[in-house]
Amino acid sequence: ETGVTQTPRHLVMGMTNKKSLKCEQHLGHNAMYWYKQSAKKPLELMFVYNFKEQTENNSVPSRFSPECPNSSHLFLHLHTLQPEDSALYLCASSQTGTETYEQYFGPGTRLTVT
Amino acid sequence: ILNVEQSPQSLHVQEGDSTNFTCSFPSSNFYALHWYRWETAKSPEALFVMTLNGDEKKKGRISATLNTKEGYSYLYIKGSQPEDSATYLCALPAYVYNQGGKLIFGQGTELSVKP
Repeated sequence: ETGVTQTPRHLVMGMTNKKSLKCEQHLGHNAMYWYKQSAKKPLELMFVYNFKEQTENNSVPSRFSPECPNSSHLFLHLHTLQPEDSALYLCASSQTGTETYEQYFGPGTRLTVT
Repeated sequence: ILNVEQSPQSLHVQEGDSTNFTCSFPSSNFYALHWYRWETAKSPEALFVMTLNGDEKKKGRISATLNTKEGYSYLYIKGSQPEDSATYLCALPAYVYNQGGKLIFGQGTELSVKP
């Protein structure tokens, strides 16, 4: 596999469920990101991991719990979500130290909370 | 707070039309500007990274210009084709050295090209 992959591509979950989103990058990058896109809104940064350390938490509710076990893998653990959390969740990666911070994106997970 | 604005929000054109849209940003503390194309059900794909005032980049029928002094970038598509239908995103890094390069995105311009 090449680039950035995300699984699952679609997820439907109830408000009491616990699920996890997975992201894997095959680019040798050292930074990974979670973004959220709700309908008609800009991409919204949720978390940044740099060399496996979380460097940004953009005021995200605790029902979203990220995990970065190594520079290639990023998870987003979900529990007791709300219907308004239904959105597209995108993962991205980049190489720090580059001049332009170009990011490479996965295809996203479409999450529906019922 | 870095605010990135794109206009128009959506655009409907006929095949063969040329079109353009705008990304506006604060002109102070400019570092770089990214254009992405995002087709439905696919990953956002990097089109251009622009860093210098007066930059002009081209990829096939798509080109972009940058004016950092007045704070805008234009994306042009010459002779639009149905396969150009996508959302075009503009993003700028909120520069935080060695902290992964946080990108701030505009809302995007959704382009629809009818055959």
